[in-house]
Amino acid sequence: AQRVTQPEKLLSVFKGAPVELKCNYSYSGSPELFWYVQYSRQRLQLLLRHISRESIKGFTADLNKGETSFHLKKPFAQEEDSAMYYCALSVLNRDDKIIFGKGTRLHILP
Amino acid sequence: GAGVSQSPSNKVTEKGKDVELRCDPISGHTALYWYRQRLGQGLEFLIYFQGNSAPDKSGLPSDRFSAERTGESVSTLTIQRTQQEDSAVYLCASSLAQGVYEQYFGPGTRLTVT
Repeated sequence: AQRVTQPEKLLSVFKGAPVELKCNYSYSGSPELFWYVQYSRQRLQLLLRHISRESIKGFTADLNKGETSFHLKKPFAQEEDSAMYYCALSVLNRDDKIIFGKGTRLHILP
Repeated sequence: GAGVSQSPSNKVTEKGKDVELRCDPISGHTALYWYRQRLGQGLEFLIYFQGNSAPDKSGLPSDRFSAERTGESVSTLTIQRTQQEDSAVYLCASSLAQGVYEQYFGPGTRLTVT
């Protein structure tokens, strides 16, 4: 069965320092991977998805099939990046639901 | 256009009472999910509806929890004989189809069981 692991429950990073939120998945085929974000008092929303290969708010994520990872990175953290981040996996199968990781709370220190 | 809406936004109930939470997905979205988010915790999958297929109920924590969806529209999540551990924010999300499409989340219903 598909699984998504986010090993860090909480990550504290100083403003201006690089950020890396880890995400590992288990799936034998070709997955579609996402990062969702929930800012304080806002709805959970899509941040970026693998297939788009774009940078959103300075964040990027590269799919590494060899390491089965989809880590989220940003070179210089900003205070407004403080939020809860969820990695999610889906497959092109009509019956399968999207699978979310447990989430990582990112806290940017001033 | 209108996003996913949920009602009520807040619900306080006494232990042992039944509650019903409502979700209005985005029109045309065939997939609908319910999640639970306890204070300070991550997302917990509850149930998934996709078109006319049988719902995936694998995340429901007990038989006190049930959900229905009328066609491809409104869904209701019912919790019977509520317990204090049911206190959480209940989130609904919809997407155009299964899996690979973006999920749009509602604002949630904050349930407090006293």
